[in-house]
Amino acid sequence: AQKITQTQPGMFVQEKEAVTLDCTYDTSDPSYGLFWYKQPSSGEMIFLIYQGSYDQQNATEGRYSLNFQKARKSANLVISASQLGDSAMYFCAMRDNAGGTSYGKLTFGQGTILTVHP
Amino acid sequence: DTGVSQDPRHKITKRGQNVTFRCDPISEHNRLYWYRQTLGQGPEFLTYFQNEAQLEKSRLLSDRFSAERPKGSFSTLEIQRTEQGDSAMYLCASSSGGSNQPQHFGDGTRLSIL
Repeated sequence: AQKITQTQPGMFVQEKEAVTLDCTYDTSDPSYGLFWYKQPSSGEMIFLIYQGSYDQQNATEGRYSLNFQKARKSANLVISASQLGDSAMYFCAMRDNAGGTSYGKLTFGQGTILTVHP
Repeated sequence: DTGVSQDPRHKITKRGQNVTFRCDPISEHNRLYWYRQTLGQGPEFLTYFQNEAQLEKSRLLSDRFSAERPKGSFSTLEIQRTEQGDSAMYLCASSSGGSNQPQHFGDGTRLSIL
C-alpha cells in the first residue's frame, strides 16, 4: 500500500527567506504522481504543484519548486521568498496506478504547519 | 471559472440523525472524489465517481454511508444514523481525465455531531 510521510509537524521561517517542507513516499508502482496542496486556516485545499514519476526535470510553479529525488523516494517542496500569506498547513499527496486499478485517488501525508514570521 | 461548490458549509446535528451533503464539481470534470478530514490529519479517500458510475469505495465507507452522482454532474453523500465519530470535514474534489491532472477541492462541509 502507498504511504506518504511528512516528518515535520511544524516549521517556522522568516519572511522573504526560503523554506523546504519534507515529504517521503513509498510505493511499488513505477508510475505515480506527487502533489502538494496548501490548506489555510479557512479550510480550502489549494493545489500548488505536481511531479510525475517519469518527469525528467523538477517541477516549478512560481515561488514553488519540487526537489524530486526518485531513488530516495522524496519530493520536498521548496517555497522561495516566503510571504506572510504562506502561513498554512501543507500536504504532500500521492496518486499511484495500483497496477492499473486505481482511479486516481490521493493518499495524503499528515501535513506540516508552516508559520511565516515578519 | 466556477470552482467546486459544497453545501452546506457547516452542519450540526444530533447523534442518530441522517445528514446529506451536496457537491457540485467543476462543470467539465468527469471525475469526482469524496474525502474525509479529521482535525490535524490529512484527508482520507472515501469514494470515487467517473461520470455517474461509482467505481471505488474505501473500507472507511461503512454501510451507513451512501453516495450518488445521478446524472454525472452533482453528487450527494448521505450519512445515516450519525455517530460521534462521524464528526469531520467532508471534502469533495473533481478533476478531468489524465493522470497528471490535479484534483480541485471544494471548501468542504464541516459536520459536528452533538
